[in-house]
Amino acid sequence: AQSVTQLGSHVSVSEGALVLLRCNYSSSVPPYLFWYVQYPNQGLQLLLKYTSAATLVKGINGFEAEFKKSETSFHLTKPSAHMSDAAEYFCAVSDNGNQFYFGTGTSLTVIP
Amino acid sequence: NAGVTQTPKFQVLKTGQSMTLQCAQDMNHEYMSWYRQDPGMGLRLIHYSVGAGITDQGEVPNGYNVSRSTTEDFPLRLLSAAPSQTSVYFCASSSGSLNTGELFFGEGSRLTVL
Repeated sequence: AQSVTQLGSHVSVSEGALVLLRCNYSSSVPPYLFWYVQYPNQGLQLLLKYTSAATLVKGINGFEAEFKKSETSFHLTKPSAHMSDAAEYFCAVSDNGNQFYFGTGTSLTVIP
Repeated sequence: NAGVTQTPKFQVLKTGQSMTLQCAQDMNHEYMSWYRQDPGMGLRLIHYSVGAGITDQGEVPNGYNVSRSTTEDFPLRLLSAAPSQTSVYFCASSSGSLNTGELFFGEGSRLTVL
């Protein structure tokens, strides 16, 4: 069975500070990992994905994530937070492209 | 570019009533799914389909029914609504290929059961 754990349901950062959102996965097979973002009253949209190519994955809006097999982690980072980054972020895992399993989400607040 | 379209966006039901949430996609995706989103619980898979005529249960299928008669449409039926089904429902589709592997989501349907 696959699962993802997101540590920290709420994260607050100051504008311009580093954003770090944590995700650990559990998978019996090499996983495919995703980060999605949800803005208020909208559906989810893909930020970035890891599909066994480069371990450092760059996504939209300056976000990136690094796949670390030894730590079973796929943490999301952004060097400098912007007010527009305030949203809910979800980590997800899939091993077949059909069933996706989502974490419980991390709500990011950016303080001006 | 329509993508994934869900209707209705908002619905209030009384306990015991039935209704259908509609989902349509225009990307010729084989894979479609329904999730419910509840505070602190993330997204949980209700039902999914890997192609027309094929459906399967996800994590929380009880109280919901689906069918897939065409590639484009994947309606979710609540047979007898209960307050525990108050939630935000999302339909999502993908090509089913991990290399492209992106789930495309609708904007959600907010359901309240009184």
